[in-house]
Amino acid sequence: NAGVTQTPKFRVLKTGQSMTLLCAQDMNHEYMYWYRQDPGMGLRLIHYSVGEGTTAKGEVPDGYNVSRLKKQNFLLGLESAAPSQTSVYFCASRDRGQTGELFFGEGSRLTVL
Amino acid sequence: DAKTTQPPSMDCAEGRAANLPCNHSTISGNEYVYWYRQIHSQGPQYIIHGLKNNETNEMASLIITEDRKSSTLILPHATLRDTAVYYCIVSLTTDSWGKLQFGAGTQVVVTP
Repeated sequence: NAGVTQTPKFRVLKTGQSMTLLCAQDMNHEYMYWYRQDPGMGLRLIHYSVGEGTTAKGEVPDGYNVSRLKKQNFLLGLESAAPSQTSVYFCASRDRGQTGELFFGEGSRLTVL
Repeated sequence: DAKTTQPPSMDCAEGRAANLPCNHSTISGNEYVYWYRQIHSQGPQYIIHGLKNNETNEMASLIITEDRKSSTLILPHATLRDTAVYYCIVSLTTDSWGKLQFGAGTQVVVTP
């Protein structure tokens, strides 16, 4: 059971380039999330999804887009990368219900030059 | 969601109990207390959560005060592998879609 898998794990971009981070979960979870973590700080929510075909903005959504075309996948896109988007990105998923454990991926480290 | 206050760092001797405090004085009646930890640069890992009653699982115990304004996470026998950043989070049970707001947490260092 792989849990939550993120690809790629590392990426270096130049300013203005675009890229997509893929998050895949094999637990049939309804809810999925994208967080970013900057050095010495906690995680901040970028976007989230409560089901296939739905997405919503989190705390820091600017500069990112997301899609949830399939229940098991949640994509995070950067259309025009900026140095301020250098960060570690974490994907998480959770089953529906009032409470529950968030399962996190191992993270994707992105550097924008 | 209610905000939480945690000490920025704590040291603990290996084999001893680690008691991690968290203040959440503005917590409302329908907010749960969650604890997660993050080892080095890995993804955060769920530890435990509770509403009113004390909770225990194979990893830790959660003690919530009667007025629910503070809680303590107890690692009964700390090991070197418990060195991590520990996050205390309060979250609504409904209308929050499971979103959790992570603060800076407490850096726990377990020493031999």
